[in-house]
Amino acid sequence: DAMVIQNPRYQVTQFGKPVTLSCSQTLNHNVMYWYQQKSSQAPKLLFHYYDKDFNNEADTPDNFQSRRPNTSFCFLDIRSPGLGDTAMYLCAVKRGGQETQYFGPGTRLLVL
Amino acid sequence: SQQGEEDPQALSIQEGENATMNCSYKTSINNLQWYRQNSGRGLVHLILIRSNEREKHSGRLRVTLDTSKKSSSLLITASRAADTASYFCATDGNTDKLIFGTGTRLQVFP
Repeated sequence: DAMVIQNPRYQVTQFGKPVTLSCSQTLNHNVMYWYQQKSSQAPKLLFHYYDKDFNNEADTPDNFQSRRPNTSFCFLDIRSPGLGDTAMYLCAVKRGGQETQYFGPGTRLLVL
Repeated sequence: SQQGEEDPQALSIQEGENATMNCSYKTSINNLQWYRQNSGRGLVHLILIRSNEREKHSGRLRVTLDTSKKSSSLLITASRAADTASYFCATDGNTDKLIFGTGTRLQVFP
């Protein structure tokens, strides 16, 4: 049974056309993360929520925003995608105070 | 950058052989974790070793940690074709966040 679900799995968008990626979880964990992973590179943290508290990484572009309407769902909004935003976007969750993160399968985004 | 580094970047072996990959990191840690990523998929947690531990085993996996050298190694014994994947170390830097190493791409040939 999938515990962290990401939709869509593949997304193609045009340069500058807003896109929203979604993540949902059945684990009821209170910490949620969004990572960007470019080809053959390590995942890079964009931001995370600890409960409702939003924590942005210092080098995350302003173009990237996030919403977490409830514990189960989290969204990544890319307001004006550039070609350099082509990447795999990974969502992960964990229970606060524990160490292991549980990852979704990722959304592969292609910006044309 | 706080990112750790792994070596080798790529490793090709035959089934049955052992695979060793190394990780170096830069910050103080509470723990170090290893994750596996199959091509085009999410990451799967393999094993965690705490800063006060030196060695840990889980099935065919053996992890060592040397905090004085800020380094760790992952040994996969008796490898299988299904072990083909990328392997990442990740450190917590005493926070709720993970900093991933650059990864090792392992190819196991039948």
